Amino acid sequence: DQQVKQNSPSLSVQEGRISILNCDYTNSMFDYFLWYKKYPAEGPTFLISISSIKDKNEDGRFTVFLNKSAKHLSLHIVPSQPGDSAVYFCAASDQAGTALIFGKGTTLSVSS
Amino acid sequence: DVKVTQSSRYLVKRTGEKVFLECVQDMDHENMFWYRQDPGLGLRLIYFSYDVKMKEKGDIPEGYSVSREKKERFSLILESASTNQTSMYLCASSLVGIYYGYTFGSGTRLTVV
Repeated sequence: DQQVKQNSPSLSVQEGRISILNCDYTNSMFDYFLWYKKYPAEGPTFLISISSIKDKNEDGRFTVFLNKSAKHLSLHIVPSQPGDSAVYFCAASDQAGTALIFGKGTTLSVSS
Repeated sequence: DVKVTQSSRYLVKRTGEKVFLECVQDMDHENMFWYRQDPGLGLRLIYFSYDVKMKEKGDIPEGYSVSREKKERFSLILESASTNQTSMYLCASSLVGIYYGYTFGSGTRLTVV
């Protein structure tokens, strides 16, 4: 049973526009959420995170929104750049702080 | 620059071989993890370790074992490699408490023929 779901395998966006990547989760015990970015032949790198006590966290062009009632989070990238083209993974952790559970990833393609 | 180093970027092994994947971190992190990444399946946790000589099974431990004799080193062992273990293997480490996130290695692309 998949606890973290990224239902869109891919997303294509034009340079300068907004990219919105979505993530749903089923476990109400999750209290911390992270986004990772992965280029081919490299390991994932941490992008941004949010605690369940917040509904928004912003870092430069990247903003993560959390809707606890809907068990949904989203990553907004504004403006999108060609260098943002990568696979984006959503991840979640429960209060026990055990290992992160990752979604299947969404491949973002930003065209110039 | 702090990092997680995986010993091999690419590896080709034969079915039935015993395979060792090595991971070393230089950040004095307590936690270490092994994931595998497959198309359409994302990152799946194989094993993790909170401390030296400690190990916990993840979601897909079958066919794998691990060893952590020193804090900085976490080894993944494929006891008898099979073709369905062809995958990208990713090692990660973190401080205690998930809030710091993980630092990942660059991955090992293992092909079992």
